[in-house]
Amino acid sequence: AQKITQTQPGMFVQEKEAVTLDCTYDTSDPSYGLFWYKQPSSGEMIFLIYQGSYDQQNATEGRYSLNFQKARKSANLVISASQLGDSAMYFCAMRAYPGGGNKLTFGTGTQLKVEL
Amino acid sequence: DTGVSQDPRHKITKRGQNVTFRCDPISEHNRLYWYRQTLGQGPEFLTYFQNEAQLEKSRLLSDRFSAERPKGSFSTLEIQRTEQGDSAMYLCASSSGQGAIGTNTEAFFGQGTRLTVV
Repeated sequence: AQKITQTQPGMFVQEKEAVTLDCTYDTSDPSYGLFWYKQPSSGEMIFLIYQGSYDQQNATEGRYSLNFQKARKSANLVISASQLGDSAMYFCAMRAYPGGGNKLTFGTGTQLKVEL
Repeated sequence: DTGVSQDPRHKITKRGQNVTFRCDPISEHNRLYWYRQTLGQGPEFLTYFQNEAQLEKSRLLSDRFSAERPKGSFSTLEIQRTEQGDSAMYLCASSSGQGAIGTNTEAFFGQGTRLTVV
């Protein structure tokens, strides 16, 4: 079975500061991918960044980077230079192969609030 | 193409009534997924289609739930005899690809249908 754990229900960050959102995962599958999604109040899940289990380097996408520590089974999202528009719910998710089938398994999310 | 489209955005229904939701995926995407999200939780997988074939169903999908994708394009999710516990956001997602899905296939989500059963 696959499991994603996000232990921070809520986080606050000052505008222009960096923030780290924690994610740990558990799977027995040898191949897996880790995703981060942003969910604003409108409800849509917006894909942010992906990290594969065999990737040697940490993924980066603009202001988003993924701090992947395979031995610790963690895949933390780092948002640099926070903006007011970053205020949203953030979900970590995993797809594992072959045991995970075709589905994404999500964590419970972290509500991020960016303050002036 | 503006992305994954879901209709309606909101639905209020009385307990015991049937409801049907529609999802229009991104046009070139052959894979379609339904998820359910309750308050304070992450989305939970319900079912997956590749083209018109329903290839995977979660145990969450009780016999009151049925999903179809008749022509491999849009999909419908029907809930019969709704219960208050069915109140949730129902999210549809789509992705492209052939063969084994692999781990790096990102899914694009719609804005969801929020169901309230009273």
